[in-house]
Amino acid sequence: NAGVMQNPRHLVRRRGQEARLRCSPMKGHSHVYWYRQLPEEGLKFMVYLQKENIIDESGMPKERFSAEFPKEGPSILRIQQVVRGDSAAYFCASSQPGVAGFYEQYFGPGTRLTVT
Amino acid sequence: SQKIEQNSEALNIQEGKTATLTCNYTNYSPAYLQWYRQDPGRGPVFLLLIRENEKEKRKERLKVTFDTTLKQSLFHITASQPADSATYLCALDGGTGGFKTIFGAGTRLFVKA
Repeated sequence: NAGVMQNPRHLVRRRGQEARLRCSPMKGHSHVYWYRQLPEEGLKFMVYLQKENIIDESGMPKERFSAEFPKEGPSILRIQQVVRGDSAAYFCASSQPGVAGFYEQYFGPGTRLTVT
Repeated sequence: SQKIEQNSEALNIQEGKTATLTCNYTNYSPAYLQWYRQDPGRGPVFLLLIRENEKEKRKERLKVTFDTTLKQSLFHITASQPADSATYLCALDGGTGGFKTIFGAGTRLFVKA
């Protein structure tokens, strides 16, 4: 049973380019979270998605950032016109569905974005 | 606003001793509290979840307490080993009926042989 997969593991972009980060949840999981982590800082919640539906995007910057989780395929975190301040590790996590809405999360290895 | 505090100073202990890490929160009442372990360059790994109506939970050498009056959780590792050296993260639900998870900055633990 494969865990959460993220790719690429490392991504280098120049200022102004677009970054696309992909996340495939664990088998049987239909809920995905995205987090950003800066060096020596904690994980910052960005967005919570179910298949074809954004549930909570209260942590997403209003501009340049978007996320989707289509019916087929991985979840995508998209950053347009990247700036140096976007350099960070981006982690995806998945959890099982349920009415309680809060279960342990299984994290991927992260994508380290460097903006030059 | 909601705030989580973990001791930012690293904790250094001798192998075999009990490590105790603290997580304090303010300005809200979470329904759940979780602890994760994170090694350098890797994603966090879930360890334990405790609900607001539970006072204590154990798993092997790990024990978590949840005091909703003090707004504090303690995380204990008994008979610590050098392999327990890592950063430990406390996480709480957003407490507003949403699905946001709020993580603390973590406490780094070093266990010396």
